Amino acid sequence: DGGITQSPKYLFRKEGQNVTLSCEQNLNHDAMYWYRQDPGQGLRLIYYSQIVNDFQKGDIAEGYSVSREKKESFPLTVTSAQKNPTAFYLCASSIVQGETQYFGPGTRLLVL
Amino acid sequence: DAKTTQPPSMDCAEGRAANLPCNHSTISGNEYVYWYRQIHSQGPQYIIHGLKNNETNEMASLIITEDRKSSTLILPHATLRDTAVYYCIVRIKAAGNKLTFGGGTRVLVKP
Repeated sequence: DGGITQSPKYLFRKEGQNVTLSCEQNLNHDAMYWYRQDPGQGLRLIYYSQIVNDFQKGDIAEGYSVSREKKESFPLTVTSAQKNPTAFYLCASSIVQGETQYFGPGTRLLVL
Repeated sequence: DAKTTQPPSMDCAEGRAANLPCNHSTISGNEYVYWYRQIHSQGPQYIIHGLKNNETNEMASLIITEDRKSSTLILPHATLRDTAVYYCIVRIKAAGNKLTFGGGTRVLVKP
């Protein structure tokens, strides 16, 4: 089945720790995105990538980092610089930038 | 991207059609109308999109008024699994690097 997978479903982070959220797609999509969703809120764009080895900051990139070494993978690292990381993180992809975005199931990050 | 207005909530009887309205009076000529839904604690699910003409797929139908200032998403036979928050989004396809979700409509399908 084609789709977008995110792992883990739940992730716990200790103070001062970096954690990495996985996002994989087998849709052969060029563009990938990371969003953050807080309770009762809409989506906020963290980073996006139009093509392999290229990515740009979104609206709330501070405290986050990404890489795009492979077309199918776009991992997000939440660094210790992100002071309020507790949120629901969503990865999406589209065939090219601007086209319909399809979402993964999300990863819920909690700080211990 | 143009702003959209949706009712905050609505109930629907199982097996009946659910008609979800969306106003987008400031929509421009090259902006598409997209619908997504989000079931609790899951990622948003794409439903349908259109520019001018009415559209239908296996999930729903999208009716866009002739002046394009409003649209209606129709779920033809609502099931309990259709309970979700439904988002109407208006965006330019080419330049849209992000999706902006408004408040959406919380739809509760009742048996």
